[in-house]
Amino acid sequence: KAGVTQTPRYLIKTRGQQVTLSCSPISGHRSVSWYQQTPGQGLQFLFEYFSETQRNKGNFPGRFSGRQFSNSRSEMNVSTLELGDSALYLCASSPIQSASSPLHFGNGTRLTVT
Amino acid sequence: DQQVKQNSPSLSVQEGRISILNCDYTNSMFDYFLWYKKYPAEGPTFLISISSIKDKNEDGRFTVFLNKSAKHLSLHIVPSQPGDSAVYFCAATSPAGGTSYGKLTFGQGTILTVHP
Repeated sequence: KAGVTQTPRYLIKTRGQQVTLSCSPISGHRSVSWYQQTPGQGLQFLFEYFSETQRNKGNFPGRFSGRQFSNSRSEMNVSTLELGDSALYLCASSPIQSASSPLHFGNGTRLTVT
Repeated sequence: DQQVKQNSPSLSVQEGRISILNCDYTNSMFDYFLWYKKYPAEGPTFLISISSIKDKNEDGRFTVFLNKSAKHLSLHIVPSQPGDSAVYFCAATSPAGGTSYGKLTFGQGTILTVHP
């Protein structure tokens, strides 16, 4: 079974631009979560989707948004990029929301904002 | 406000010895805890978890201990192997409090180095 796939792996953008990151969960997984990893803040929760509905949102500004499609694939968008948005963005999926189904993470998209 | 803390940024042990990684939390609503391992250029990989109704959970070389009164958990790796060298994150959530399993609060991580 293929793992969580995130594209692209690396991205360089300029301040003020917008970016869209893509995540394909493991086949059969309906729950997708997004996390931001930075050296200073560590791993921080962005949002979670289940069956195309946003179930939870972290403490990030409205410039960060996401969505989930009917095939469970998810995208996240960051508008008006700032230098501080440079980070590793991780997507994780699970089949259902339960203790028996821990999150499986992808290898992330490394975003650099210049 | 860091609700999950891993106070040791790094830990170095000899192959074959025990590795003990520690994690403290402040939010008493947390009732489900996990440990993840992360290699460079890869995403975190799930290792082991524990519910607050237990105080110990074992899986092979990995054992997690939970002390609810102290709000402390630890991960024991016995015996440690060079391939265990990675960054270890503890994470917490509160399903009983209405927070889903997909919303985890992570510690800052501990870099474990196992020397041959």
